[in-house]
Amino acid sequence: EDKVVQSPLSLVVHEGDTVTLNCSYEVTNFRSLLWYKQEKKAPTFLFMLTSSGIEKKSGRLSSILDKKELFSILNITATQTGDSAIYLCAGTPEYGNKLVFGAGTILRVKS
Amino acid sequence: GAVVSQHPSWVICKSGTSVKIECRSLDFQATTMFWYRQFPKQSLMLMATSNEGSKATYEQGVEKDKFLINHASLTLSTLTVTSAHPEDSSFYICSASYRESGEKLFFGSGTQLSVL
Repeated sequence: EDKVVQSPLSLVVHEGDTVTLNCSYEVTNFRSLLWYKQEKKAPTFLFMLTSSGIEKKSGRLSSILDKKELFSILNITATQTGDSAIYLCAGTPEYGNKLVFGAGTILRVKS
Repeated sequence: GAVVSQHPSWVICKSGTSVKIECRSLDFQATTMFWYRQFPKQSLMLMATSNEGSKATYEQGVEKDKFLINHASLTLSTLTVTSAHPEDSSFYICSASYRESGEKLFFGSGTQLSVL
């Protein structure tokens, strides 16, 4: 059975801190891993990773995939209160685009 | 681009009634739409995959007669919760993709259903 495990489940940091969110996966015929940010309602897309070792960056956020060890990390530097959200990672199998989501990491950034 | 609209954003209904939730892709043709359910502080659980013009594929444990899905056009999918009960209270969210978007999904804003 395909599964995606995220850690930690929740995290509280202060503004300016750097955080690392973890995601490990076991997905049949794995094709890609996606990160989403969910604030109140709709998850918004952050990154899609398909190749090992290639870091993707968007402002203060970055992510990398390790296909050998079957995990990905999402880094957020100089955190802001607006980064408070649930961060979801999801794996996709080779065929179709059905995402298998992890339970999410609840991040709270205190001012 | 790639905007998905979901309606209503919240609904309260009496036990035994049916509720319809709409999911529309506003600026693209959605070849596939997905319906998820999310309990508080938990992740998104896929309920069913909906392809335009064909029957939805339900995940194990999801009752297809309870959760009716219709994907009549490339821009609209509906989820009807039939004979709703309090245990059906949850956050329901749809997502859609188009051929070129691959596995990247675009999410609607979700519907909070409360069954009294």
